[in-house]
Amino acid sequence: GQQVQQSPASLVLQEGENAELQCNFSTSLNSMQWFYQRPEGSLVSLFYNPSGTKQSGRLTSTTVIKERRSSLHISSSQITDSGTYLCAMELGTGYQNFYFGKGTSLTVIP
Amino acid sequence: ETAVFQTPNYHVTQVGNEVSFNCKQTLGHDTMYWYKQDSKKLLKIMFSYNNKQLIVNETVPRRFSPQSSDKAHLNLRIKSVEPEDSAVYLCASSSLAGVQDTQYFGPGTRLLVL
Repeated sequence: GQQVQQSPASLVLQEGENAELQCNFSTSLNSMQWFYQRPEGSLVSLFYNPSGTKQSGRLTSTTVIKERRSSLHISSSQITDSGTYLCAMELGTGYQNFYFGKGTSLTVIP
Repeated sequence: ETAVFQTPNYHVTQVGNEVSFNCKQTLGHDTMYWYKQDSKKLLKIMFSYNNKQLIVNETVPRRFSPQSSDKAHLNLRIKSVEPEDSAVYLCASSSLAGVQDTQYFGPGTRLLVL
């Protein structure tokens, strides 16, 4: 089964609204990252956050290992935030245990 | 300009052919990666390589192999392509080894196997 579950699958926001994206994992976590994929396909690494909270500008990532979840909070969304947000988790040793979620597709409208 | 460059952008080939994709980074990074993104947009890490160590995802078929001439280049060779190899292949680099560091991605090479 899917080792990493992301929710929601898609989200539409009005510009200025906040968003909370979730990533849940099934077993113990070694490391995790959040990525952003632009609509045209290019990929950007956002956060490496295996535990605790990290912030960068309007983005905040919180990973709670006991609850087996990581969240990405986007505040004051902008149209340019539109795209797909992916979480990736290392759930064991070796790249065969490095799983990506299916992503949350975010659309921000004016 | 410092970035991650990939060629070609797009490649169409037939089953059984050999293909090779190029990746070059001008960021001065020590580690490079190859990822595969399938038609369902699901990403999978395939390899990472620095001047000391190649790490392979054991689920990657053996017809895939990375080739590196120096730390700025990591090419991907597919010996005998199969239809399920149709995907976008993304190259990335990072300063530190392992998946803990910020990675910088190239634009991708889209492969279509007929």
